[in-house]
Amino acid sequence: AQSVTQLDSHVSVSEGTPVLLRCNYSSSYSPSLFWYVQHPNKGLQLLLKYTSAATLVKGINGFEAEFKKSETSFHLTKPSAHMSDAAEYFCVVTPGFQKLVFGTGTRLLVSP
Amino acid sequence: GAGVSQSPSNKVTEKGKDVELRCDPISGHTALYWYRQSLGQGLEFLIYFQGNSAPDKSGLPSDRFSAERTGGSVSTLTIQRTQQEDSAVYLCASSLGGQALTYEQYFGPGTRLTVT
Repeated sequence: AQSVTQLDSHVSVSEGTPVLLRCNYSSSYSPSLFWYVQHPNKGLQLLLKYTSAATLVKGINGFEAEFKKSETSFHLTKPSAHMSDAAEYFCVVTPGFQKLVFGTGTRLLVSP
Repeated sequence: GAGVSQSPSNKVTEKGKDVELRCDPISGHTALYWYRQSLGQGLEFLIYFQGNSAPDKSGLPSDRFSAERTGGSVSTLTIQRTQQEDSAVYLCASSLGGQALTYEQYFGPGTRLTVT
């Protein structure tokens, strides 16, 4: 069965510093991976997805993620955090290519 | 354009009562999903509809939960004899097709259900 593990429940950064949100996956074959973001009182929004065309995936709002098969990781990064990035981030896998299986989420806190 | 809408936005019910939650997907989207977000279980898949195919009900937690999709559009999630552990935010999503890698799932704002 495919699953994802988000290694941190909370990450705190200062505005302007880099962001790293960690995700490891478990899969017996090449997985389909996503990152979703949920801002307070707003719906879930797709940030980016891994399609196997390229290991470095660029998403919206300056975020990117790198698929590393050797490390079974799909960490989310951003060079410089903005206050508006404060939200909950979910690493997601799609077994069977239809329903989404969500990680437990990482809450990103950005301080001025 | 209009996104996925859900109603009601909040629902408080007494234990043992039945509730119905409604989802209006984006027009033209053939795939519709229900998920549940709760403190104890995180975000979990409940049920998936794709066109006229039989729904994937593999995520429904008990036979108290059921869902239907009428005319390939609006969907209703029904919870019978509600229990306190049913308290959660119920999210609906829709997409143009059933392949998650190809077709982005667009989420509604959710219905917050509180069972007292």
